[in-house]
Amino acid sequence: GAVVSQHPSWVICKSGTSVKIECRSLDFQATTMFWYRQFPKQSLMLMATSNEGSKATYEQGVEKDKFLINHASLTLSTLTVTSAHPEDSSFYICSARALGTDSYEQYFGPGTRLTVT
Amino acid sequence: AQSVTQLDSHVSVSEGTPVLLRCNYSSSYSPSLFWYVQHPNKGLQLLLKYTSAATLVKGINGFEAEFKKSETSFHLTKPSAHMSDAAEYFCVVSGLIGGYQKVTFGTGTKLQVIP
Repeated sequence: GAVVSQHPSWVICKSGTSVKIECRSLDFQATTMFWYRQFPKQSLMLMATSNEGSKATYEQGVEKDKFLINHASLTLSTLTVTSAHPEDSSFYICSARALGTDSYEQYFGPGTRLTVT
Repeated sequence: AQSVTQLDSHVSVSEGTPVLLRCNYSSSYSPSLFWYVQHPNKGLQLLLKYTSAATLVKGINGFEAEFKKSETSFHLTKPSAHMSDAAEYFCVVSGLIGGYQKVTFGTGTKLQVIP
């Protein structure tokens, strides 16, 4: 149980275009989903916390207008990288916290590798 | 304030020998602590977690960690390393800050297992 999927797993796009990444909790409902970014050989950096039915909370230094987050349902959150540039190339990982749990455990997706050319 | 320090960026052990990956944390409140493993180009897999129950936590694949409040440590150990243990390991602290759950990742420790 507690599986989180991401789609696509790998995407290449041209500079200036937008890319949407989906994060789904497959067998549980998630009121909260988290979006992380991981640069090569580095740790994960939290970008934003996505709450179902409300606006996402962005970490300091993360551009809200560039990284659009939508959490439309209890099983789906999307991250749209708008007007992507090569410096946005990274590994994006989402995680979800199960509804009704007291644990702070997060279930992680397999990640999406974005390459902007 | 909340922070995590993984003291070693790289650890190299021989197959069959013990593994020790060190983690120290700082938190204003009683935190939850986790260890995750990440294999190359893969997502994160939970190894074990501490959530204020038993201080010695047993996880998957023979890993365990001991929560030591006096030392603010949560070191990860395994009695005998296997080749499949080669991966990146992240220590994570999670707690309530200002009414919101805050998750902080350590910088990671790359474990190399030598045959």
